[in-house]
Amino acid sequence: KAGVTQTPRYLIKTRGQQVTLSCSPISGHRSVSWYQQTPGQGLQFLFEYFSETQRNKGNFPGRFSGRQFSNSRSEMNVSTLELGDSALYLCASSLSGGAAGLNTGELFFGEGSRLTVL
Amino acid sequence: AQSVTQLGSHVSVSEGALVLLRCNYSSSVPPYLFWYVQYPNQGLQLLLKYTSAATLVKGINGFEAEFKKSETSFHLTKPSAHMSDAAEYFCAVSDMDAGGTSYGKLTFGQGTILTVHP
Repeated sequence: KAGVTQTPRYLIKTRGQQVTLSCSPISGHRSVSWYQQTPGQGLQFLFEYFSETQRNKGNFPGRFSGRQFSNSRSEMNVSTLELGDSALYLCASSLSGGAAGLNTGELFFGEGSRLTVL
Repeated sequence: AQSVTQLGSHVSVSEGALVLLRCNYSSSVPPYLFWYVQYPNQGLQLLLKYTSAATLVKGINGFEAEFKKSETSFHLTKPSAHMSDAAEYFCAVSDMDAGGTSYGKLTFGQGTILTVHP
């Protein structure tokens, strides 16, 4: 069974540009979560999608957005890039996003997209 | 809200020595707890999870962790370190609402970098 696939793996942008990152979850997984990882702030939750609906959101500005398609693939977008957006962006999938009684909330992560903003 | 504290941002051991990585959590509901490992330029790989069954949990690569409710701890151990264990380790708690659903959100500790010396 293929794991979580993220593209692109590496990208460089300049301030003010926008970027779109893509994530294909494990087959059969309907929940996709996104995390930002930086040396200073560690791993921070961005948002979660399930059946094309955003169900949960972290404390990030509106420049960070996402969506999910009917095949459960997900994209996240960051507009008006700032230097501080340089990070490893991790996508994770699970069957149900930790629904009570269905699973334990464990997530399966992709290898990440490393964004550098110059 | 749940929180996780990992004691020690860096741990150094000799090959063959005991590995002990410390994690304390705070949770308003019975927690689901996880340890993940991250190798350079890779995503997070699940080592083991606690889901309220056995308090001593065995994971991959010879790692295990013990859930101690009285101490709110979930420390990770391995009897004999191997060079290949050098990586960053993250403890995480499933950030569940009162109904027991986490909506794809894990709260992570700041990570512990494990160095193994020959």
